Amino acid sequence: GQQVMQIPQYQHVQEGEDFTTYCNSSTTLSNIQWYKQRPGGHPVFLIQLVKSGEVKKQKRLTFQFGEAKKNSSLHITATQTTDVGTYFCAGLEVGGSYIPTFGRGTSLIVHP
Amino acid sequence: DTGVSQDPRHKITKRGQNVTFRCDPISEHNRLYWYRQTLGQGPEFLTYFQNEAQLEKSRLLSDRFSAERPKGSFSTLEIQRTEQGDSAMYLCASSLLAGVMKTQYFGPGTRLLVL
Repeated sequence: GQQVMQIPQYQHVQEGEDFTTYCNSSTTLSNIQWYKQRPGGHPVFLIQLVKSGEVKKQKRLTFQFGEAKKNSSLHITATQTTDVGTYFCAGLEVGGSYIPTFGRGTSLIVHP
Repeated sequence: DTGVSQDPRHKITKRGQNVTFRCDPISEHNRLYWYRQTLGQGPEFLTYFQNEAQLEKSRLLSDRFSAERPKGSFSTLEIQRTEQGDSAMYLCASSLLAGVMKTQYFGPGTRLLVL
């Protein structure tokens, strides 16, 4: 079955440093979504990428979808303490049913 | 509040007991998903409904798990004869039907502890 791997599992940064999390799928994806989960909270949708090579930006967050549509990344510039949480990618397989496969997530810890 | 709601938010039960969780999706959403999330893991898909039809249930963890959405609105997830390994957060999400996966809006979850 489809597997979605995310690295790193944890990332400690000093406030102001950049952060990147990577998502890799074992199969080609039709699209990928990114979610953020604050400690004690539930996943909250951030963005969806559909096109090969797509890049989208939300303020300090930059999302990329690989050319082969098998990988994706989330980059945060100049982290803030409000960025703390776990970032998940969720991929939908090409030709599959509408069942998203989530990665394990990357937990971001920002030290002031 | 027009978001996804779940009830109860916390449930403590003894091994062997049955539990039922409820999810109320966003009113106009016709897709409803159930997930399980354990510590340090991403949400694990269990089942989903399109209106009242359960379109995928092979991922339910065992035959002790069942879900319903009788009128295409709220849904229930039941776990029979609970085991300690069932302890987890159970998340519900809803979305609009679309050809490409659309945004899923998650509820706050029900945290289950089986003693």
